[in-house]
Amino acid sequence: QVQLQESGPGLVKPSETLSLICSVSGGSVTNDNYYWSWIRQSPGKGLEWIASIYHSGTTSYNPSLKSRVTMSVDKSKDQFSLKLSSVTAADTAVFYCARSRYYYESSGFSFDLWGQGTLVTVSS
Amino acid sequence: DIVMTQSPDSLAVSLGERATVNCKSSQSVLYNSNNKNYLAWYQQKSGQPPKLLIYWASTRESGVPDRFSGSGSGTDFTLTISSLQAEDVAVYYCQQYYSSPPTFGGGTKVEIK
Repeated sequence: QVQLQESGPGLVKPSETLSLICSVSGGSVTNDNYYWSWIRQSPGKGLEWIASIYHSGTTSYNPSLKSRVTMSVDKSKDQFSLKLSSVTAADTAVFYCARSRYYYESSGFSFDLWGQGTLVTVSS
Repeated sequence: DIVMTQSPDSLAVSLGERATVNCKSSQSVLYNSNNKNYLAWYQQKSGQPPKLLIYWASTRESGVPDRFSGSGSGTDFTLTISSLQAEDVAVYYCQQYYSSPPTFGGGTKVEIK
């Protein structure tokens, strides 16, 4: 079955760029039925959607983070990635990648398969 | 953004008893054109990622036991566990996909009394 696995540094310095990769196994990021997303979870802010991408490269970003976020997809490796720039301690969270259902009529997403998550701490 | 508010923050229920989690959205998530509520429920066990339980407010995801049910419409929704099992101890979240950005409730922790 399809599995997602996050990877990347667990510690990032303030003002630097957080970079994460999600590897999809047992399936393909080119599946026409799904978008691929990043969601974070912190004690202070709960679950927060960050961004989503389709295999065509079409992206959707949370307006609250849009100025700092970049998502990309690598179809040859069945991976998608997240870059979050100018991080602060407030960005410390568990970051999840997830497979997403997209609802065209509402531009909304639900999340039907999640990776195990990776803790990223922002600290000097 | 649509704000999702859950209540209670936590509840303790005896094994085999009913557990009820409430979720309220700051605006309706009912799409008039198709009469569907754009509302999902997730279960998150300790140390695990969230798992999709219910979508369209009342449709169980494949493999989800039928003791889990969702109800409600518009702005008020309920997740019911009809007969609580030990493996149901978790935090439960609602999420709206009526508009972007998708937003989650703060979670309700369900424990065994």
